[in-house]
Amino acid sequence: GAVVSQHPSRVICKSGTSVKIECRSLDFQATTMFWYRQFPKQSLMLMATSNEGSKATYEQGVEKDKFLINHASLTLSTLTVTSAHPEDSSFYICSARRGWASGPQETQYFGPGTRLLVL
Amino acid sequence: QKEVEQNSGPLSVPEGAIASLNCTYSDRGSQSFFWYRQYSGKSPELIMSIYSNGDKEDGRFTAQLNKASQYVSLLIRDSQPSDSATYLCAVNDRGSTLGRLYFGRGTQLTVWP
Repeated sequence: GAVVSQHPSRVICKSGTSVKIECRSLDFQATTMFWYRQFPKQSLMLMATSNEGSKATYEQGVEKDKFLINHASLTLSTLTVTSAHPEDSSFYICSARRGWASGPQETQYFGPGTRLLVL
Repeated sequence: QKEVEQNSGPLSVPEGAIASLNCTYSDRGSQSFFWYRQYSGKSPELIMSIYSNGDKEDGRFTAQLNKASQYVSLLIRDSQPSDSATYLCAVNDRGSTLGRLYFGRGTQLTVWP
């Protein structure tokens, strides 16, 4: 169990267009979903954290109006990159937290990632 | 800013050897610790979690936790070329109610035949 899917896996778009990326937990309900970005040969960078039914919490320096997050249900979160530019080209990865009723355990399971190329 | 530090690497070991990956963390109150493996061009994959002091074994992998020293390690026995990847150490943010994790920058491991 604990499978997370992402769609699309790869997208190429023109500068100025918007791109939507979906993240789904397939066999569990995710209490929280996270969106990361990773540039080549660099570490993961957390962009935002989202809970179902509430506004996302963005990390410092991440433009919330540019990276729109909608957490529609306990199994679906979407990231929309609005008016994408070449510098937004990156590997976007979501993760879903499988919460437990008790104890400190907080395990995140990652989706396969979406590679975005903005021309 | 809470920190998670990993041995810088890259680490190179021959096939069949033991690979040792180390991680230290700054938040003494952290309670959950994870090791993820990331192959080049792929997303991270959970391989081990540990919550209590001591050792936890899963196949060829052993995670070791010492909260007093704020240290967590991962040993890979009988290393295989397929173990070649970047290994990420992650520690929970005890101040987060949302389950946020802090990640180290990763240690790149190469296992040569």
